[in-house]
Amino acid sequence: NAGVTQTPKFQVLKTGQSMTLQCAQDMNHEYMSWYRQDPGMGLRLIHYSVGAGITDQGEVPNGYNVSRSTTEDFPLRLLSAAPSQTSVYFCASSYGGGASGELFFGEGSRLTVL
Amino acid sequence: AQKVTQAQTEISVVEKEDVTLDCVYETRDTTYYLFWYKQPPSGELVFLIRRNSFDEQNEISGRYSWNFQKSTSSFNFTITASQVVDSAVYFCALLTSGTYKYIFGTGTRLKVLA
Repeated sequence: NAGVTQTPKFQVLKTGQSMTLQCAQDMNHEYMSWYRQDPGMGLRLIHYSVGAGITDQGEVPNGYNVSRSTTEDFPLRLLSAAPSQTSVYFCASSYGGGASGELFFGEGSRLTVL
Repeated sequence: AQKVTQAQTEISVVEKEDVTLDCVYETRDTTYYLFWYKQPPSGELVFLIRRNSFDEQNEISGRYSWNFQKSTSSFNFTITASQVVDSAVYFCALLTSGTYKYIFGTGTRLKVLA
C-alpha cells in the first residue's frame, strides 16, 4: 500500500548543483503535482500534470522542470539550485481533479541549498 | 483571481476546549471545491474533507465539523473537545472546476495543551 513515494527525504546541495526529486504513485492517478512549503507561505504549486506527456506551470515554476513520461512517475528537476529553493517539497496525486480531487501526498523531501 | 485566507496563524487551546479554524476563500467561479488538510508534527499531509460549491450542508465527523457558508465565502472547521493529538497545522484549499490548480491557505497552527 505504497501510495505516493518521494525520494530522497533529505538532501543538501551547493548553489549551482542540479538534482532530481523523484515521485512515484501506484494508484493509477492521472493528476500529479509538486508543491513547496515554506514557513508562513502555505503550500505553493510548482508544476502539475494531468496525464502522461502533459505538464503545466503552477504558481512558482521558475527554476524547476518537470516531465511526465509515465502515469506513475513525475520527477522534479532543479537545474541550478539556489538558496531560495531551500524548502520542503511535496508531491501529490489525485484521481482526476475536481469531483475526484482529493490530493494524496507523499511524505515530503526537505531540501537545503547552501 | 482565486485566494484562500486563513487569518489565524496560530491558536492555542487547553484540552477539551472547542476551537474553530477560519477559512475565507475568493473565487468568481460558481463551481468549486473546498478542502481541509491536516499536517501533524510528523509532517505528512492528511486529507480531512472535500465540499463542492453546490452542497452547503454542514458536515460532522466525530469531533470534527465543518460549516460552509457561500454567503460569507467561508468554510470553517470546528474541533469539539480538542485533544492533544489534534495539535497540527491545518490547511484550507480551493479548487475551481475545470482547473487543476489547488490554492492553499497559509495554514493555522493549532496547539492543544494538556
